Amino acid sequence: DTEVTQTPKHLVMGMTNKKSLKCEQHMGHRAMYWYKQKAKKPPELMFVYSYEKLSINESVPSRFSPECPNSSLLNLHLHALQPEDSALYLCASSQVGRSDYEQYFGPGTRLTVT
Amino acid sequence: GQNIDQPTEMTATEGAIVQINCTYQTSGFNGLFWYQQHAGEAPTFLSYNVLDGLEEKGRFSSFLSRSKGYSYLLLKELQMKDSASYLCVSDSNYQLIWGAGTKLIIKP
Repeated sequence: DTEVTQTPKHLVMGMTNKKSLKCEQHMGHRAMYWYKQKAKKPPELMFVYSYEKLSINESVPSRFSPECPNSSLLNLHLHALQPEDSALYLCASSQVGRSDYEQYFGPGTRLTVT
Repeated sequence: GQNIDQPTEMTATEGAIVQINCTYQTSGFNGLFWYQQHAGEAPTFLSYNVLDGLEEKGRFSSFLSRSKGYSYLLLKELQMKDSASYLCVSDSNYQLIWGAGTKLIIKP
């Protein structure tokens, strides 16, 4: 199984809503990532978890709150978002230890903030 | 600073060959990835080069010159399904630095 799954596929939320994005992988990868991708731009790294601990936070606003409840799951909790946060949110996973390990991406959640 | 340059868009004909170039100036360079991304989909891994030279994988080949800070992705026998964005990604200081991507348009 080389699949990373993400739910939901699409999400529309208001600026006062609280929602969560979910990501799951069963490849035994111990590194998991959240990326944000705007149209016609490359993915931007948001967070990295290594062995279920947050290892990189790329100065992401606190309205985005990641959580890694176990080695297979990664969540991104959203609260009080802004319209400019509308984007494709990608989850990825890889082996731990070196950045040359291939990252496997999920299909993404397309988020629209109204 | 960290910088990756690749053309914004290229057009090629079905059945032909196309070369997508990438130049990088990144510190702590370890190697270079190429990812393919179809519109509205997630990136998928194509190749990773750490040593100088050409690595061939079916219709796709990737080349690296560390001394010149240069890489290219070569696609042969182009098919319509190869229409996608191709992202050059530098593995630097144990982080990934993403290029803006080259949108490849294949015409019949």
